[in-house]
This record gives sequence, structure tokens and C-alpha cells, in this order.
Amino acid sequence: AQSVAQPEDQVNVAEGNPLTVKCTYSVSGNPYLFWYVQYPNRGLQFLLKYITGDNLVKGSYGFEAEFNKSQTSFHLKKPSALVSDSALYFCAVRDRSGGNTDKLIFGTGTRLQVFP
Amino acid sequence: GAVVSQHPSWVICKSGTSVKIECRSLDFQATTMFWYRQFPKQSLMLMATSNEGSKATYEQGVEKDKFLINHASLTLSTLTVTSAHPEDSSFYICSVSRGLGRDSYEQYFGPGTRLTVT
Repeated sequence: AQSVAQPEDQVNVAEGNPLTVKCTYSVSGNPYLFWYVQYPNRGLQFLLKYITGDNLVKGSYGFEAEFNKSQTSFHLKKPSALVSDSALYFCAVRDRSGGNTDKLIFGTGTRLQVFP
Repeated sequence: GAVVSQHPSWVICKSGTSVKIECRSLDFQATTMFWYRQFPKQSLMLMATSNEGSKATYEQGVEKDKFLINHASLTLSTLTVTSAHPEDSSFYICSVSRGLGRDSYEQYFGPGTRLTVT
């Protein structure tokens, strides 16, 4: 079965410092990977995805993620964190094990706290 | 991206009553919508896949008679929580799936509906 793991419940970083939110995956076949962000009492917003091509994927709000096949990882990164980046971040993988429907399997989420 | 709305954004109901939540795709026709629930400080749990014009596909462990899904048109799916109980209190989020060609797609999420059952 497809799955993603987010090993950190919370990540704390000072404003202006680089941030990394970790995600590892387990899939059969080629992985389709996504990152979403959720602000309090809101739905999820799409940040970026990896389907194929360059291992470094650039997304919204200055975020990027690096696909590493040998380490089965898809860590989310940003060179300089902002206080406004504080939110809940979800890694997800596409799951087609149930047929043709493109379901998403989400990780448990990582809360990012950026301190001024 | 796509614009997805949910209504209501927040609802309180008494135990034993039913509540309907609407999910609308505002700027494109969605043949597939998804319903999730999210408990506090937890991840999203997929409840069901809603397909326009056919019966919804429920995930294992989700009671289809309790969580009625109707995808009556390409822009509207509804989730009805029947005979709600306090344990049904949760944050319900819908999403729409949009194909982008070449086996690529994205899901766009609604803002969510907070259900509190008293």
C-alpha cells in the first residue's frame, strides 16, 4: 500500500533561517508526491508536486521540495522562513490501488512554527 | 487553481438530527470529488469518493448509511450526516480533482465545515 511518513510533529525555526519539513514515502511504481499547507480552520492549499522530471520542484510562496529516489524522501524546504509560514504542512502521495480514481494518502502532518 | 466552496462553514446541531454539507466547484466541472474528515491535530482521513451520476465509493470503516453522499451535478456534491452524534463532531473537507493532462492532476480543497454535535 502507498504511504507517506512525516517523522516530525513540529518544527521550530527562527525567522530568516532555512527550514526543512521532512517526508518519506513508500510506493509501488513511480511516486506522485504533493505538499499541502493548512492554516487554522481552513482547507488545504496546494504548494507543489513531483510527477516526473527535475528532482528539485519549486512551488508557491517560495517553497521547494527535493525528490530523492534513493532515500525515498520528498522534503519540503525554504531558504528563509517567515512568521507567516507558520501552519500545518501535509505531505501526500497519489494512490491508485483502488482503481482509476486518483486518491491522495496524507501524512500525519507537521506543524511549522516560525519565531520572530 | 480551482475554486471550491463549502457551505456552511460552521454548524452546530443537536444529537439525532441530520446535517447537510455542500461542496461546490465554482470554476470547472468536477466529475470526481472527495470528502475528508479531520479530527483536531490529526491528518485528513478520506471518507469517500464522490462520482457524478453514480454511487459514491466509501473507504473501509465509513458507514455509507450514516454519511450520505450525493453528487447530483458536475459542480455540486453534498454530504449528509444522518442522526448525528457528538462523536461525529469534526472538520469536514471536500476536494475536487482536476486533470491537467498527461496523467497529471491536482486536488483543490474547500475551506472546510466545522460540525459540532451537542
